[in-house]
Amino acid sequence: DTGVSQDPRHKITKRGQNVTFRCDPISEHNRLYWYRQTLGQGPEFLTYFQNEAQLEKSRLLSDRFSAERPKGSFSTLEIQRTEQGDSAMYLCASSQIPGENYGYTFGSGTRLTVV
Amino acid sequence: GEDVEQSLFLSVREGDSSVINCTYTDSSSTYLYWYKQEPGAGLQLLTYIFSNMDMKQDQRLTVLLNKKDKHLSLRIADTQTGDSAIYFCAESMDRDDKIIFGKGTRLHILP
Repeated sequence: DTGVSQDPRHKITKRGQNVTFRCDPISEHNRLYWYRQTLGQGPEFLTYFQNEAQLEKSRLLSDRFSAERPKGSFSTLEIQRTEQGDSAMYLCASSQIPGENYGYTFGSGTRLTVV
Repeated sequence: GEDVEQSLFLSVREGDSSVINCTYTDSSSTYLYWYKQEPGAGLQLLTYIFSNMDMKQDQRLTVLLNKKDKHLSLRIADTQTGDSAIYFCAESMDRDDKIIFGKGTRLHILP
């Protein structure tokens, strides 16, 4: 297993365009999380799934953001009508619950630049 | 509410010990973490400690937890140039719950 994979690594888009990011968790992990990290800040929680169910959404996740995990494996995060303030690193993480060992693992992230 | 505070910068001479401090507000947090992030790289979990522990040691790293004062520290012994990074203090209520991060402490190593 290669860990948590995120695609693309970098995305530059024009303001007002829609973008979609993909996260592939570690294969046996049933929980998947999305975080956002802006410059000079720590990661901020956006939402998480257990299998295909979205269990919690942060107030940071505005109406323009939507996340899905239709088959309980990979997940997508879509941002509609992007704004410059959406420029950030979007991080995905996964874990297995229950699990004997601590396995919460972050991917390398997708860096979004809105111009 | 949930909040994690840490100083933004720390400069240490190579070979000295680095101590990064953190305070958190949520007394129900059961897991406390230290993550490392190098430029252009992802988040690396350095270590974590359960809230019922006072101390955890792992090679050059020592974590101290004062639950009464909600204070967490990370000590790096014999600091090396490769330790130059941003260190994030973080907390969660449960092992697989959302993680609340501080803003990070940038550790700069002086020659």
